Amino acid sequence: EAGVAQSPRYKIIEKRQSVAFWCNPISGHATLYWYQQILGQGPKLLIQFQNNGVVDDSQLPKDRFSAERLKGVDSTLKIQPAKLEDSAVYLCASSSRSGVEKLFFGSGTQLSVL
Amino acid sequence: RKEVEQDPGPFNVPEGATVAFNCTYSNSASQSFFWYRQDCRKEPKLLMSVYSSGNEDGRFTAQLNRASQYISLLIRDSKLSDSATYLCVVNNDYKLSFGAGTTVTVRA
Repeated sequence: EAGVAQSPRYKIIEKRQSVAFWCNPISGHATLYWYQQILGQGPKLLIQFQNNGVVDDSQLPKDRFSAERLKGVDSTLKIQPAKLEDSAVYLCASSSRSGVEKLFFGSGTQLSVL
Repeated sequence: RKEVEQDPGPFNVPEGATVAFNCTYSNSASQSFFWYRQDCRKEPKLLMSVYSSGNEDGRFTAQLNRASQYISLLIRDSKLSDSATYLCVVNNDYKLSFGAGTTVTVRA
């Protein structure tokens, strides 16, 4: 079974630039999550999709972050404009049901904002 | 108060030792609990779910204490490959909250 695919693996940008991350979940998984993990901290949920609808985006900084999941499959997360404090690993995860019994994570995108 | 709190460690233990650590959670209504393992520069992976009656998976034992609002993880006969960060995860109405992790280093 193919895992969760993410790209790019690494990204370096300057502050105020924009950046986009892509995620393709495991086939058939209805729920997709974007997490932000800052060094030394646990993952923090940014947004959760159920199919192509948003379930929770309460911690998404909507003034600069946006995400979409068209057709209920792959998803993109965008930051515009980036700030220094956005430097982190952005993890995409998926699960087979709206339940949270098991999340499968992608390898993540490591973002450095200079 | 944070939703999920963990002792960051690190716990440095020799091979073969037993190591145990706890995680506390703030919401008494939390429904389910998990331990995830995260290797250095890797993604988290589910280690085990934590059941009310406690459960074992090989050398790993997880316990839940609802009265005191904590879960625990015990690793017996530690292996070098157990070196990782262990993330405590709490589910509140299908919203997962991750702790910052407890780092375990097993030395030869």
